[in-house]
Amino acid sequence: EAGVAQSPRYKIIEKRQSVAFWCNPISGHATLYWYQQILGQGPKLLIQFQNNGVVDDSQLPKDRFSAERLKGVDSTLKIQPAKLEDSAVYLCASSSGPNVYEQYFGPGTRLTVT
Amino acid sequence: TQLLEQSPQFLSIQEGENLTVYCNSSSVFSSLQWYRQEPGEGPVLLVTVVTGGEVKKLKRLTFQFGDARKDSSLHITAAQPGDTGLYLCAGGQDSNYQLIWGAGTKLIIKP
Repeated sequence: EAGVAQSPRYKIIEKRQSVAFWCNPISGHATLYWYQQILGQGPKLLIQFQNNGVVDDSQLPKDRFSAERLKGVDSTLKIQPAKLEDSAVYLCASSSGPNVYEQYFGPGTRLTVT
Repeated sequence: TQLLEQSPQFLSIQEGENLTVYCNSSSVFSSLQWYRQEPGEGPVLLVTVVTGGEVKKLKRLTFQFGDARKDSSLHITAAQPGDTGLYLCAGGQDSNYQLIWGAGTKLIIKP
């Protein structure tokens, strides 16, 4: 079974530029999560999808971050414009019921904003 | 706000030693997961515990869920360099089916 795929693995941009990340979850997993992980910290949930609907985006900085999950499969996370404090690893995870807490992660995208 | 505190934050020991890391909260969780994350990779699920007092073993790793389902521990026997990584605990909250994450314990096992 293929795991969660993410791209790109690394991205370096200047502040005020835009960037997009892509995620393909495990086949059949209805729930998809985007996390932000700053060095030395645990993952912070940005947005949670159930199929193609948003379950929770309360911690997503909506003035600059957006995410979508078309057709309930792939998802993209966009930042526009980026700030220095957005430098982090962006992790995508998926899970399937009933074990929604057992999340499977992609390798992440390391974003550096200069 | 539910919080999970992990201790120690950092641990560096010699190969062959035993160690225990802790995950504590004042809140009750429906389940608790332990993940290991290696540099440049996403977290990998090690175990899920759901019943108070539950003990699970994964080779040299022993996981325990507290009786009150507020805390958990991970014990590693005869640590090996391959055990090096960031160990994260995460508690499941049924109110929104999300995980509350600890900040992690960075473990280094020196050969």
